[in-house]
Amino acid sequence: KAGVTQTPRYLIKTRGQQVTLSCSPISGHRSVSWYQQTPGQGLQFLFEYFSETQRNKGNFPGRFSGRQFSNSRSEMNVSTLELGDSALYLCASSEDGRAYEQYFGPGTRLTVT
Amino acid sequence: QKEVEQDPGPLSVPEGAIVSLNCTYSNSAFQYFMWYRQYSRKGPELLMYTYSSGNKEDGRFTAQVDKSSKYISLFIRDSQPSDSATYLCAMSPSGSARQLTFGSGTQLTVLP
Repeated sequence: KAGVTQTPRYLIKTRGQQVTLSCSPISGHRSVSWYQQTPGQGLQFLFEYFSETQRNKGNFPGRFSGRQFSNSRSEMNVSTLELGDSALYLCASSEDGRAYEQYFGPGTRLTVT
Repeated sequence: QKEVEQDPGPLSVPEGAIVSLNCTYSNSAFQYFMWYRQYSRKGPELLMYTYSSGNKEDGRFTAQVDKSSKYISLFIRDSQPSDSATYLCAMSPSGSARQLTFGSGTQLTVLP
């Protein structure tokens, strides 16, 4: 099976702009979670989607949002970008009933200038 | 104080050494405990997971969870240069098993 794919891999945006990142889970995985990784804060949970429904949300401002489509692909959006949003954004997918076994994609490196 | 504390290292050991990596945590609700390995410019890769307390072995890797002390460990036997990476502990409560809280990661270098 192909692994988790994320597009784009690299992105440079300007403060105030918005950005949309995409994640395609492993075939058959209906759960997708998103994480932000920065040198200062490490890996932090953003949100989790299952069957197009957001099930959990981390402690991030409302500028961070996401959605999941019927084919389990997921997107996350960040509006009004700030310099502090520069990070590696990772998504992970897992099978039903195996929540502890999450497979991560390579991430999207977002730089905000 | 962070919910999960992990010594960031860096840790440098000779090839063949036994490596011990540790995390402590404060949230009693955590039931799932995972160890991930992350190579530079890659996403984390799941190494092992444990539910509740106990030990688990997989090849050269052994994971231990002591819930009474809120302490988890990963042991790597016969370490190899290819084990050089950042090791992240992660944990989650049973009601939100996919909502992982990560340690800050320990950077390990195994010298040939």
